[in-house]
Amino acid sequence: GAGVSQSPRYKVAKRGQDVALRCDPISGHVSLFWYQQALGQGPEFLTYFQNEAQLDKSGLPSDRFFAERPEGSVSTLKIQRTQQEDSAVYLCASSLWASGTGELFFGEGSRLTVL
Amino acid sequence: AQSVTQPDIHITVSEGASLELRCNYSYGATPYLFWYVQSPGQGLQLLLKYFSGDTLVQGIKGFEAEFKRSQSSFNLRKPSVHWSDAAEYFCAVGPNAGNMLTFGGGTRLMVKP
Repeated sequence: GAGVSQSPRYKVAKRGQDVALRCDPISGHVSLFWYQQALGQGPEFLTYFQNEAQLDKSGLPSDRFFAERPEGSVSTLKIQRTQQEDSAVYLCASSLWASGTGELFFGEGSRLTVL
Repeated sequence: AQSVTQPDIHITVSEGASLELRCNYSYGATPYLFWYVQSPGQGLQLLLKYFSGDTLVQGIKGFEAEFKRSQSSFNLRKPSVHWSDAAEYFCAVGPNAGNMLTFGGGTRLMVKP
């Protein structure tokens, strides 16, 4: 497709369940980002990949959060033992370049609700 | 640490009226500044960006923003608002265009007919 695709769009999980959120970036984009957007807040940085290398994971809130991009294209954000505070929209974005003036293109997000 | 403040959580304007959304940032070096718009059920879309040069930048959909270093501000403006502009607007700052942007809390714009 032409844009960043995320799935599932909506996910309801019981507390303690594991979830996996998928991001398909724009083909050929080098950089991939995950952001977390809580209700009524702006997006907050979670982690960043350049191709398959995870260059920054300083925004991941706990060791329950794990992200990977094994072949430098599709990325998965995994949350283990979900908690209610994990409820948020998880946004994926990609950029053509590794740095510089490349525009970030965002997906529509995956809305996670933890009961 | 970098930060972005959008003082107005909600703004309501009449269709056809002018609009200014405020953004103040804190950043230790020359910032890269952005405005994004988020419509319900849609992803963030870039409206405009400032890297260097002319401090008044033009964006899509008739929006513009002015970088004022002395005030650490990057306010978004539009001379005449359309009903389709109703959305949430986010200001963001970063060390470059595609890396670890810090977003403000957003301003929700409502447009009265």
